[in-house]
Amino acid sequence: AQSVTQLDSHVSVSEGTPVLLRCNYSSSYSPSLFWYVQHPNKGLQLLLKYTSAATLVKGINGFEAEFKKSETSFHLTKPSAHMSDAAEYFCVVSDERQAGTALIFGKGTTLSVSS
Amino acid sequence: DAGVTQSPTHLIKTRGQQVTLRCSPKSGHDTVSWYQQALGQGPQFIFQYYEEEERQRGNFPDRFSGHQFPNYSSELNVNALLLGDSALYLCASSSGGAYYYSNQPQHFGDGTRLSIL
Repeated sequence: AQSVTQLDSHVSVSEGTPVLLRCNYSSSYSPSLFWYVQHPNKGLQLLLKYTSAATLVKGINGFEAEFKKSETSFHLTKPSAHMSDAAEYFCVVSDERQAGTALIFGKGTTLSVSS
Repeated sequence: DAGVTQSPTHLIKTRGQQVTLRCSPKSGHDTVSWYQQALGQGPQFIFQYYEEEERQRGNFPDRFSGHQFPNYSSELNVNALLLGDSALYLCASSSGGAYYYSNQPQHFGDGTRLSIL
């Protein structure tokens, strides 16, 4: 069965420094992987998606993620954090056990950015 | 272009009551999914509707039911409310219809915050 594990529940960085949010996945198939962001009291916004076309995926707002099959990882990075990046981030895998497109979410990583 | 809209934004109910939440998908989308997000947790998949039928279901009891209308909008109904049903309920829409590719991004609404007293 598919699953994702977000390795850090909370990450704190200073503005202008790099961001790394770690995610490992488990899947019997070639997975579809996503990163979503959630700002307080808001819904989820798609940052980027991996669909086997390229292992390095570029998303919105300067974020990117690299799919590493040998390590079963899909870590999210950004070269320089901005205050507006403070939010909850979810690593997500698409459930391929049955027809449909259900998403399986990790528990989330809270990103704090200090000035 | 309106995104996914949900109503109401907040709702307070008591145990044992029934509730209906509503969702209008993004223009051009034909598939609607519902998720439950408990405080401090990631969203959990409840079910997905396409062509007015439940196509996929997560691990939720029968107290959770839904409906999709011909205009693709959807309702989530929860009967016999429990304290543990308190959560943010998120609706997501996507396109692709019968060709349900797992890489289709889903667009989320801002959710309905349900509180059970």
